[in-house]
Amino acid sequence: DAGVIQSPRHEVTEMGQEVTLRCKPISGHDYLFWYRQTMMRGLELLIYFNNNVPIDDSGMPEDRFSAKMPNASFSTLKIQPSEPRDSAVYFCASSPVGGSGANVLTFGAGSRLTVL
Amino acid sequence: GQNIDQPTEMTATEGAIVQINCTYQTSGFNGLFWYQQHAGEAPTFLSYNVLDGLEEKGRFSSFLSRSKGYSYLLLKELQMKDSASYLCAVGETDSWGKLQFGAGTQVVVTP
Repeated sequence: DAGVIQSPRHEVTEMGQEVTLRCKPISGHDYLFWYRQTMMRGLELLIYFNNNVPIDDSGMPEDRFSAKMPNASFSTLKIQPSEPRDSAVYFCASSPVGGSGANVLTFGAGSRLTVL
Repeated sequence: GQNIDQPTEMTATEGAIVQINCTYQTSGFNGLFWYQQHAGEAPTFLSYNVLDGLEEKGRFSSFLSRSKGYSYLLLKELQMKDSASYLCAVGETDSWGKLQFGAGTQVVVTP
């Protein structure tokens, strides 16, 4: 398996522009997570899905952020309009259903976003 | 909610042992995880504890005490490649998939 695939790896945009980040989870993984990492706040959970259904979006900063998972192999995180404080590395992760109880996340390589 | 504390940075010499402590306060506990993250890369899974005691995996061991809200990651026979950030994460009982991460401990291995 190619692992969790994210695109783009790097994005530089100007304030006010729309940003779309994409993620393909590992085939067969039922859970998909979007995390954001900054020096100040560390790794924060934004939202996660189970079987394509959003379960918890309490970490989404505000209405400018939205996430979708139209099918089991694709998810997007959208920021509209973007602001400089959104600059961060955005990680997508997936995990299999937890029959054994251990929710082991596999992370993608991340999308580094810079908003000027 | 959860509060997870771990030291910011630790320095150790190649070949030595380092212990990274993690304390947590949680309303519901469903496992303690350790992840390793090299600079500019994604976190990768190292270990998982759900019951009290020690789990050993080669040079790395992880310990958990649920009553004390305490875990540690022990890195033995340190190698230069072990220089990385080590993240402690706690799972929640009422939200199986959700992991809350600590800020991470930067381990610097010197020759």
